[in-house]
Amino acid sequence: GAGVSQSPSNKVTEKGKDVELRCDPISGHTALYWYRQRLGQGLEFLIYFQGNSAPDKSGLPSDRFSAERTGESVSTLTIQRTQQEDSAVYLCASSYGRPGELFFGEGSRLTVL
Amino acid sequence: RKEVEQDPGPFNVPEGATVAFNCTYSNSASQSFFWYRQDCRKEPKLLMSVYSSGNEDGRFTAQLNRASQYISLLIRDSKLSDSATYLCVVNKDSGAGSYQLTFGKGTKLSVIP
Repeated sequence: GAGVSQSPSNKVTEKGKDVELRCDPISGHTALYWYRQRLGQGLEFLIYFQGNSAPDKSGLPSDRFSAERTGESVSTLTIQRTQQEDSAVYLCASSYGRPGELFFGEGSRLTVL
Repeated sequence: RKEVEQDPGPFNVPEGATVAFNCTYSNSASQSFFWYRQDCRKEPKLLMSVYSSGNEDGRFTAQLNRASQYISLLIRDSKLSDSATYLCVVNKDSGAGSYQLTFGKGTKLSVIP
C-alpha cells in the first residue's frame, strides 16, 4: 500500500510476556519514528531512525523497550516483560526528511492484562 | 512550563462558527511549527505547517508569534467534519536535533449541527 503499515493492529497480552510490533514505512522515506499514546494523553516520543545513522533512543522509557530497523525498511519495536502501564497505542511514522511532516500508521493497540 | 501547551477544550461550536486555538511553546530555539489533526481513535495527520508570516489554507489560518512564543489556528465556517482533536507540534531545536518533535496534548473541537 501507499501508506505506513503497522501490525498487529490490536494485541492483548498477559503481564510479563514479550511483544513485537512491526512498522512498514512508506517506500523512500528515510526517517522513521515510534511514538506511544496512552488513552487520553498526548504523543510520547520513543525512538527515531534516519537512514544508516545511529538511532536516537532517548525516548525509550526503560531497557525493556528496544527497536530495530534494517536500512530504510521495516522496523520492529520490542517490549520485553510487558507491564500494565505499557498499555497504549504505539504509532509509527515515516518521513522523507522534512522535519515535521510525518505520515503515521494506524497504530498498534497494546493491552496488557 | 510545559514544552508545548494547549487548552484541552472541548470547544463546542455551532456549524458555521469561527473558532481559534492557541498553543504556547517553551523552547525559543524552535524553528518549525505544525498543526496536526487527530480524529477519535485514529492516527494524527498533518493539517498544515505554520510559517513566520502566517499562512492560509482554505478555511484554515495559522499564525506564529515568536516574541510571545505562541502559534494559533483559526477555523472559519466550521463544518461537522472539522470535529477532531487539533495537535500543536513544535520541533525541539534548530540544529542537528531538529527532527525531534514535541506534540501538544491537543485541543478537542466538536462542531454541533
